Amino acid sequence: GENVEQHPSTLSVQEGDSAVIKCTYSDSASNYFPWYKQELGKRPQLIIDIRSNVGEKKDQRIAVTLNKTAKHFSLHITETQPEDSAVYFCAAKEADSGGYQKVTFGTGTKLQVIP
Amino acid sequence: DAGITQSPRHKVTETGTPVTLRCHQTENHRYMYWYRQDPGHGLRLIHYSYGVKDTDKGEVSDGYSVSRSKTEDFLLTLESATSSQTSVYFCAISAAGGVTEAFFGQGTRLTVV
Repeated sequence: GENVEQHPSTLSVQEGDSAVIKCTYSDSASNYFPWYKQELGKRPQLIIDIRSNVGEKKDQRIAVTLNKTAKHFSLHITETQPEDSAVYFCAAKEADSGGYQKVTFGTGTKLQVIP
Repeated sequence: DAGITQSPRHKVTETGTPVTLRCHQTENHRYMYWYRQDPGHGLRLIHYSYGVKDTDKGEVSDGYSVSRSKTEDFLLTLESATSSQTSVYFCAISAAGGVTEAFFGQGTRLTVV
């Protein structure tokens, strides 16, 4: 099955700086890559996603890039703010298996934005 | 927020007892999932359902069973709870499997003593 590795596990940045979280995946047939944000004590929520036919996607201060050849994708947060502090999960959709496509999550990155 | 609720939100149970967690949705989504979240492991899939009475195992299914008799309800049962099943359990729903956004419930914190 799919294997998703995520780095770093923890990340501290000063407010206003940029943060980058990187993930690699193993299944070259994977074609959907969502990112979830989980604030302390809350549920994970989708913040951005990208499909394999797109190399980059932006939404205000967040962006995701995808390198299919290298099988890695990254989350970029610019001008970080204290409210960006949370755990971020990357995920990758496995190749078709009996018609259902499972999503495998990375182990998470705890981002701390220091005011 | 998507209409998805989990019950109970917190539970403490003794080793060896059966436990059932409930996930209820009002979105009429086809796919429902149970994940467990543990430090250092992220979110790991326990079981999932792709329709009424259609379920399959995830990566950490040992010791768990599920049932889905109605579109809106997905039950997770720990037949005989063990301390290793102490975790936070999340239910999630999606309209079209892995290619669309998954909406998560609020989570259930289960402690097995």
